[in-house]
Amino acid sequence: DTGVSQDPRHKITKRGQNVTFRCDPISEHNRLYWYRQTLGQGPEFLTYFQNEAQLEKSRLLSDRFSAERPKGSFSTLEIQRTEQGDSAMYLCASSLALNQPQHFGDGTRLSIL
Amino acid sequence: QKEVEQNSGPLSVPEGAIASLNCTYSDRGSQSFFWYRQYSGKSPELIMFIYSNGDKEDGRFTAQLNKASQYVSLLIRDSQPSDSATYLCAVNIGPAAGNKLTFGGGTRVLVKP
Repeated sequence: DTGVSQDPRHKITKRGQNVTFRCDPISEHNRLYWYRQTLGQGPEFLTYFQNEAQLEKSRLLSDRFSAERPKGSFSTLEIQRTEQGDSAMYLCASSLALNQPQHFGDGTRLSIL
Repeated sequence: QKEVEQNSGPLSVPEGAIASLNCTYSDRGSQSFFWYRQYSGKSPELIMFIYSNGDKEDGRFTAQLNKASQYVSLLIRDSQPSDSATYLCAVNIGPAAGNKLTFGGGTRVLVKP
């Protein structure tokens, strides 16, 4: 069990640029979740996948955000035309099945200049 | 009213004492409940989960769930300075909400030697 892996750990970019993050879940975990966390707040749900199907997207996820999990393994989260308000920690989690505990990766910290 | 509420703290406890953390939730359909520990700058780490009313113990941690009163608590016995962290309560409402976790804002715990 190698845990949930996220890449990169840190990303600094200028406003207006596009960024992409990657998440590799724990092997055999068919559910994968993306959350966003800002300082002093709990994580907020963004979207989740069961295998390759994206089953729910939060209203927080504007049109500039897109996520994929093409083969039901790793997932990517892309943010287009980044804004200052996108600065946050982006967390990926995976779980084995319905209602099972979610395990988080180390996160990607995004800073928009 | 927030869906999951926690006292933000800080909760200051002397080393060796019991730290008691509370969390209330609004959705009566909530099915599973989780406590995560988060050190500053790190990602959430699962420490306890509970599904049924009553107590669940794991080492120095005890989770308590009362669905009728819609609260879940965490007790940390024999508190150590290494327990100083933010503790996040998370609730899974179930399939109707996509099994996403809804987090409280966290309670900051400080254990003083």
